[in-house]
Amino acid sequence: NAGVMQNPRHLVRRRGQEARLRCSPMKGHSHVYWYRQLPEEGLKFMVYLQKENIIDESGMPKERFSAEFPKEGPSILRIQQVVRGDSAAYFCASSPPKGDHTIYFGEGSWLTVV
Amino acid sequence: EDKVVQSPLSLVVHEGDTVTLNCSYEVTNFRSLLWYKQEKKAPTFLFMLTSSGIEKKSGRLSSILDKKELFSILNITATQTGDSAIYLCAVRTNDMRFGAGTRLTVKP
Repeated sequence: NAGVMQNPRHLVRRRGQEARLRCSPMKGHSHVYWYRQLPEEGLKFMVYLQKENIIDESGMPKERFSAEFPKEGPSILRIQQVVRGDSAAYFCASSPPKGDHTIYFGEGSWLTVV
Repeated sequence: EDKVVQSPLSLVVHEGDTVTLNCSYEVTNFRSLLWYKQEKKAPTFLFMLTSSGIEKKSGRLSSILDKKELFSILNITATQTGDSAIYLCAVRTNDMRFGAGTRLTVKP
């Protein structure tokens, strides 16, 4: 049973470009969470999604950031017109649909904006 | 707004010391509290706590939850350099909220 898979693992973008990060949850998991970790800081919640639904996006910046989790395919975190301050590690995590379970993390996508 | 606060933010100790990391929370719909250890890659799960007063133990690490006072502690005894990491506390409600983490450095 493969773990949470994120790609790309490393991404370099120039200021103003778009970054698209993908997350495939563990098999059987229908809940996905995205977190951002800035250098030397802890994880900050961004968004919580179930299939085709955004449940909580209270941690998402109001502009340039969006997330989706379609019926088929991975969850995608999209950052438009990236700026230097977007450079961070973006972690995805998933959990099963029911019960009080821990969440399982992917190994992160490390975005560098130059 | 749900809040998870960890203290201290950073801690430097020497091998063999015992450390206590704190996590307090204010959330609606508390379901569980979890501790993670983060080194260079993704956070790795340590403990999940749902009931007050029951200590969970794994080797030199232990943790306990107080649901009345809304906090948890993570203890590490006889610390080793390999314990150096960021320790994250997270509270599961309808989603999962993390504290800022405690950066532990264990010097030889």
